[in-house]
Amino acid sequence: SQTIHQWPATLVQPVGSPLSLECTVEGTSNPNLYWYRQAAGRGLQLLFYSVGIGQISSEVPQNLSASRPQDRQFILSSKKLLLSDSGFYLCAWRPLRGRGHGEKLFFGSGTQLSVL
Amino acid sequence: EDKVVQSPLSLVVHEGDTVTLNCSYEVTNFRSLLWYKQEKKAPTFLFMLTSSGIEKKSGRLSSILDKKELFSILNITATQTGDSAIYLCAVEGNEKLTFGTGTRLTIIP
Repeated sequence: SQTIHQWPATLVQPVGSPLSLECTVEGTSNPNLYWYRQAAGRGLQLLFYSVGIGQISSEVPQNLSASRPQDRQFILSSKKLLLSDSGFYLCAWRPLRGRGHGEKLFFGSGTQLSVL
Repeated sequence: EDKVVQSPLSLVVHEGDTVTLNCSYEVTNFRSLLWYKQEKKAPTFLFMLTSSGIEKKSGRLSSILDKKELFSILNITATQTGDSAIYLCAVEGNEKLTFGTGTRLTIIP
C-alpha cells in the first residue's frame, strides 16, 4: 500500500533562517506531488506541484522554492524565512491519471511552521 | 485563474441538526469536485463527484454536483459532535486541485 511521510511535524525558526521540509512517498511510482499551505482558519493554498522529476510548477510568487530530486521525494525550501511564511504546510500525492484512485489526493500529516 | 468559493465560512449548530455546506467554482477543464474533512492535521477524503445530479452518500453525509450551475452541496443529517471540523471543497482542472477556504462547522452538544 502507498504511504506518504512528511517531516518535521513542527518547526520553529527565526526570521532570516533557511528552511527545508521533506516529503516522501512509498509504494507507488511517478506520482504527482503537491505542496499546500494553510494559514490559520483558512483553506489550502497550492504552492507547488510536480508531475515528474525536476518538473516544478509554481502557483504563487513567494519566498519559497520546491525541488524534486527523486521520483518520490518532494522538498520545500527557503533561503531566508519571513514572518509571513508561518503556517501549516501539507504535502500530498496523487497517482498519474489512469492508475486508479481517481483524482483523489492523499495528504501527509503536515508541518506546523512558526517563524519568529 | 481557477476559483473555489465555500459558504458559509463558519457554522455553529446543535447536535441533531441538519446542515448544508455550499461550494461554487470556476475552473478550466473541470474534471472532478472533491470534499474533504479536516479535524486536526491532514484532510481526509469524503466524496469525489464527476457527474451532475448523482448523489453520493456515506452514512449521514451526502453530496451532489450541479455542473451547469457550477456548484456542489454537502449535507450532514443528525449532526454529532464528531462532525465538528473544517470541511474543504476542492475542484480539479488540469493537473492540480484548487481548494476553497473551507467551512468551519461546530456542533454544540
